[in-house]
Amino acid sequence: QQQVKQSPQSLIVQKGGISIINCAYENTAFDYFPWYQQFPGKGPALLIAIRPDVSEKKEGRFTISFNKSAKQFSLHIMDSQPGDSATYFCAASMNNNDMRFGAGTRLTVKP
Amino acid sequence: KAGVTQTPRYLIKTRGQQVTLSCSPISGHRSVSWYQQTPGQGLQFLFEYFSETQRNKGNFPGRFSGRQFSNSRSEMNVSTLELGDSALYLCASSLGQGGSLHFGNGTRLTVT
Repeated sequence: QQQVKQSPQSLIVQKGGISIINCAYENTAFDYFPWYQQFPGKGPALLIAIRPDVSEKKEGRFTISFNKSAKQFSLHIMDSQPGDSATYFCAASMNNNDMRFGAGTRLTVKP
Repeated sequence: KAGVTQTPRYLIKTRGQQVTLSCSPISGHRSVSWYQQTPGQGLQFLFEYFSETQRNKGNFPGRFSGRQFSNSRSEMNVSTLELGDSALYLCASSLGQGGSLHFGNGTRLTVT
């Protein structure tokens, strides 16, 4: 059962541009929303995470925007770089480790 | 601090065999979770162990089992392998319930 829907499936952005990935969830009991970055041959690495009492969180070039009423959250990558080319996963959990992942977005940043 | 270590990195097995995968968590982390990653189904939760006890279990058949040792190291076992079990199996550790997951680089299992 897919509880977290992620879009787009793939994204191509020019260097310096803004990459935006969106996710929607169904279960209102979710209270932890992380984003993971995965490079080929590697496991997912935590990028940034947010809890529903905050509408936005920024860490460097990465920002999560969270809309609790719409049950949506998104990742914005500012000044995208070729090194950001990877697969990004959103996820949600209910304060445990049964993390529900989105299907992933393959980001390509063209130089 | 060393990251999550999974062994082996690659494994090739035949249908009907069984396999055991190993995971060493980050030092001090007491929770270990296992995930299956496939192109079709994405990342799916298998189970989570904390202090040698299974705390949560995903929607996988009983052929998938695991255990955790007193030093927090964990093993995952898959019996009677099927072709559809071919996947990247990821282990993640965290300090405890609700903590950030730290993933290993996975074990790539191929069933022929």
